[in-house]
Amino acid sequence: KAGVTQTPRYLIKTRGQQVTLSCSPISGHRSVSWYQQTPGQGLQFLFEYFSETQRNKGNFPGRFSGRQFSNSRSEMNVSTLELGDSALYLCASSLGAQGGGHTQYFGPGTRLTVL
Amino acid sequence: AQSVAQPEDQVNVAEGNPLTVKCTYSVSGNPYLFWYVQYPNRGLQFLLKYITGDNLVKGSYGFEAEFNKSQTSFHLKKPSALVSDSALYFCAVRGPLGGYQKVTFGTGTKLQVIP
Repeated sequence: KAGVTQTPRYLIKTRGQQVTLSCSPISGHRSVSWYQQTPGQGLQFLFEYFSETQRNKGNFPGRFSGRQFSNSRSEMNVSTLELGDSALYLCASSLGAQGGGHTQYFGPGTRLTVL
Repeated sequence: AQSVAQPEDQVNVAEGNPLTVKCTYSVSGNPYLFWYVQYPNRGLQFLLKYITGDNLVKGSYGFEAEFNKSQTSFHLKKPSALVSDSALYFCAVRGPLGGYQKVTFGTGTKLQVIP
């Protein structure tokens, strides 16, 4: 089975722009979670989608949004980029929602640099 | 609120020696516990998890972890360290069934295996 794929792998943007990141989960997985990883803050949970519905959300401003499509693929969008948004954005998929203790499988991440 | 602590930012161990990476947690009820490993510029890879049952959990690459309810710990261990084990290790916890609680990750422990 193919693993979790994320596109693009690297992205350079300037402040004020917006960006869309994409995640394709493992076939059959219905849950997709997004995380932001930075050296200072570690892994911070952004949101989880299950069956096209946002099930949980972390403490991030409204500039961060996401969605999930009927084929379980997910996108996250960051508007009005700030320098502090530079990070590795990780997507993880699992069979069921996080509430079931299902194992999350991570993609390689998208490295976003905001100049 | 649930939380997880990895008290050591870095652990150094000589190749061939046993290794331990510490993790303690705080959660209401019985937890789900996970260990992940991250190599440079990569996503997280699942190592093992505790849901219920035997307190000693065996995982990938010869790693194991022991669930200790009284000490609220879930330390990662390996009998004989390899240089290739050098990486960043994350412990994660999720509270018991009910609701849609997210998974909370620790801050990570960098393991350095010295040849």
